Order: sequence, then structure tokens, then C-alpha cells
Amino acid sequence: GAGVSQSPSNKVTEKGKDVELRCDPISGHTALYWYRQRLGQGLEFLIYFQGNSAPDKSGLPSDRFSAERTGESVSTLTIQRTQQEDSAVYLCASSLSGVNTEAFFGQGTRLTVV
Amino acid sequence: KQEVTQIPAALSVPEGENLVLNCSFTDSAIYNLQWFRQDPGKGLTSLLLIQSSQREQTSGRLNASLDKSSGRSTLYIAASQPGDSATYLCAVPMEYGNKLVFGAGTILRVKS
Repeated sequence: GAGVSQSPSNKVTEKGKDVELRCDPISGHTALYWYRQRLGQGLEFLIYFQGNSAPDKSGLPSDRFSAERTGESVSTLTIQRTQQEDSAVYLCASSLSGVNTEAFFGQGTRLTVV
Repeated sequence: KQEVTQIPAALSVPEGENLVLNCSFTDSAIYNLQWFRQDPGKGLTSLLLIQSSQREQTSGRLNASLDKSSGRSTLYIAASQPGDSATYLCAVPMEYGNKLVFGAGTILRVKS
């Protein structure tokens, strides 16, 4: 596609439910990143994919968070047993190779846990 | 550990003014520096990427400079317009090709 696409754009879920957030990177981009942005705060790194492997998942806040990427394309971020502190905008970015190349971001998924 | 600081935190200017946003980083061993804008409730839009070997990059009314040795970058916006109102973020890669470390951003408001 022309840009990084994320879905859904908004998600409201009840505390304790599982959610899946999807990211479609720019075609041909091998590097993919997930970030989280809480209201009024900066971006927190979550996980980095190079191809289908995740050499850096140091930012995942707990074992309730997991992510996968298939076919060097779509990535899914899953949050199990959501908590209110998970409420944030989840942003996905991709870059051509991850090696000193420009990162492009999607519009984000706004997650609200009630 | 790389830390990125942006000054000022917020800026309000009348339309037509030229302005400068500042970004500083603690570890000068960077490969590049990227400037983004973020509109309220939206994702990030890439504005400029400066490679470590470059001194500046220009795109339209935007000019970004990089002084690696002093750990500084500036984003110059010429003839500001109300449509420039947004949060401006700078970021550097933590490691080669890896995650970006972001500053907290400068909230810019251009008044018409």
C-alpha cells in the first residue's frame, strides 16, 4: 500500500478482554516497529521486527503483550486480559531495512479499556 | 543511554514568523536524526531525515540542521502558517537500524 495502515483506528474494550491490533507496513519494508503513546506522553518502544523475527522485544511491558509478524508483512499486537493502564494509542512504523533508513508511521489504534 | 531533549516544550507565534525548534541528544554516535510532526489524535508524519554525514536537509519551508559533535539539531520553519500547528518530534536510532528514541516534542501553535 501507499502507507502504513493500522486497524482498527479505535477500539473500546472491557477490562479483562483480549484485543488484537493489526499493522500493514509499506510493501517491501522489512523492518517493523510497535510503539505506545499514553495520553500526553512520549512514545514508548515496544518491539522491533526484522523480517519475521523479533530481535528486540525489550519494550513489551508484561507477558500479557505479544506480537507476531507473518510473511514479512502484516503484524499483530495482542494484549491479553487488558487493564486500564493499557489505554493508549498504539503506533506502528516500518522502514525499508531498519538499517539507517527512514521510518514511516501509521495513524495508530486508539485503545480504551473501560 | 541515549536521551533526547527538545526545547521549547511549547511555542506560540503569529502567522508569518520564522521559528526554530531545538533538539539535543546525549550520545553523539548517531547514524541519523529524523524530524516528525504529529497532529492531535493522529500518527506521526516524517518530515526530514538527516544522515550523520550531512549537515542539513531542506524540504519546502523546512530546514533541518545537524551538529553531531555538539549533539544538536534544529528545525527551522520559514513563514509559519496556521496549518503548521502540531507537535514536532525529533528521534534518533538507539542502535544501528533499531528502535528510535524520541524527544518529548515541541507543541507549536501558529496564530492567524
